[in-house]
Amino acid sequence: KQEVTQIPAALSVPEGENLVLNCSFTDSAIYNLQWFRQDPGKGLTSLLLIQSSQREQTSGRLNASLDKSSGRSTLYIAASQPGDSATYLCAAQNSGGSNYKLTFGKGTLLTVNP
Amino acid sequence: AAGVIQSPRHLIKEKRETATLKCYPIPRHDTVYWYQQGPGQDPQFLISFYEKMQSDKGSIPDRFSAQQFSDYHSELNMSSLELGDSALYFCASSLESVFGSQETQYFGPGTRLLVL
Repeated sequence: KQEVTQIPAALSVPEGENLVLNCSFTDSAIYNLQWFRQDPGKGLTSLLLIQSSQREQTSGRLNASLDKSSGRSTLYIAASQPGDSATYLCAAQNSGGSNYKLTFGKGTLLTVNP
Repeated sequence: AAGVIQSPRHLIKEKRETATLKCYPIPRHDTVYWYQQGPGQDPQFLISFYEKMQSDKGSIPDRFSAQQFSDYHSELNMSSLELGDSALYFCASSLESVFGSQETQYFGPGTRLLVL
């Protein structure tokens, strides 16, 4: 059974700082790994998706890396802004058979202070 | 581009009542997933359908049932509602690739259910 863990649970940084969010998963037989952003009481916004054959993906100030062998992914946010404040969730999608569900971590609550 | 549509967006029910949540996938997507996110919790997989057949089942209570119709929309039926069913319910859709694997899941905005 896939288990996804995110560290830290909460992070508070001053505006302009670069930061890293960590995600680990127990079953390395993943199809892809996805990072989401969720604002309070809102839906899930997909940020980056890394296929199992890829090592990283970049979108603007965001960079996500994937190391399947060690069961880890990181989300790097450069030059953080107050608008980046949200909960960031990582989710692993397993491959094989009909089991394509996403297993989510509990998220990291990010606060960027102006 | 068309996205996943969920209705209703908000729903208030009394205990022991019944609720039906609807999901309309992105056109041509053949797979639908349902997730439940309780207050302060991470989304938990409930059930999925591929080509109108149940493809996987997670931690879905026996009081809940779901199906996918011929037009690929899906409905989640929840009976004998309990206070603990209050949550945000997400639907996601995807398309099986030519390699037989599932592509990216696209999420709808969610239905917020409040059971009083």
